Amino acid sequence: DAKTTQPNSMESNEEEPVHLPCNHSTISGTDYIHWYRQLPSQGPEYVIHGLTSNVNNRMASLAIAEDRKSSTLILHRATLRDAAVYYCILILYPNTDKLIFGTGTRLQVFP
Amino acid sequence: EAGVTQFPSHSVIEKGQTVTLRCDPISGHDNLYWYRRVMGKEIKFLLHFVKESKQDESGMPNNRFLAERTGGTYSTLKVQPAELEDSGVYFCASSQPQLAGNTGELFFGEGSRLTVL
Repeated sequence: DAKTTQPNSMESNEEEPVHLPCNHSTISGTDYIHWYRQLPSQGPEYVIHGLTSNVNNRMASLAIAEDRKSSTLILHRATLRDAAVYYCILILYPNTDKLIFGTGTRLQVFP
Repeated sequence: EAGVTQFPSHSVIEKGQTVTLRCDPISGHDNLYWYRRVMGKEIKFLLHFVKESKQDESGMPNNRFLAERTGGTYSTLKVQPAELEDSGVYFCASSQPQLAGNTGELFFGEGSRLTVL
């Protein structure tokens, strides 16, 4: 399985945009890029996913580099509730949907 | 719509005892997964059911762990006998059948915390 690299932690102020980077230089052509997050004392929660094109949903945006070797999860206006650990995961979907979690990025949001 | 529910939320047992964790997936979700996070480590995949069949159990740590999903509905994960290193949080997740147009999104429960003393 292709590996992802994320910063251990990031900080943001409330209502500011947050850009969470992820490097996946060994990504294969059929790997989907998924983002999950885990809020304190909860199970992981799906955020967004994409293959090649940038994606938007109600929670976030996903910007994928043209060579697909990196991606960025964008929270347009951080709230205190967005404080969580964010995981960037590659999935060879639909062959498998097994998630391989790394250490993720712990996002702190300050009022 | 009810999400994935897990029971118990927290279990404290002595080393050598048996514990059974239960997971009720979202209704209609054929795929059911077990994951766990042991202290200080990353969340790790344990196994995957498609309906009542084990699709992938490559992450099960040893034969002290037994997962079942009789009838393809709820699932149980039994640890017998429990060891200290089994302490952690056990997550269950479910997803829809893999069809064109599905996001492949996994819906996780809040987890069952297991403490082995």
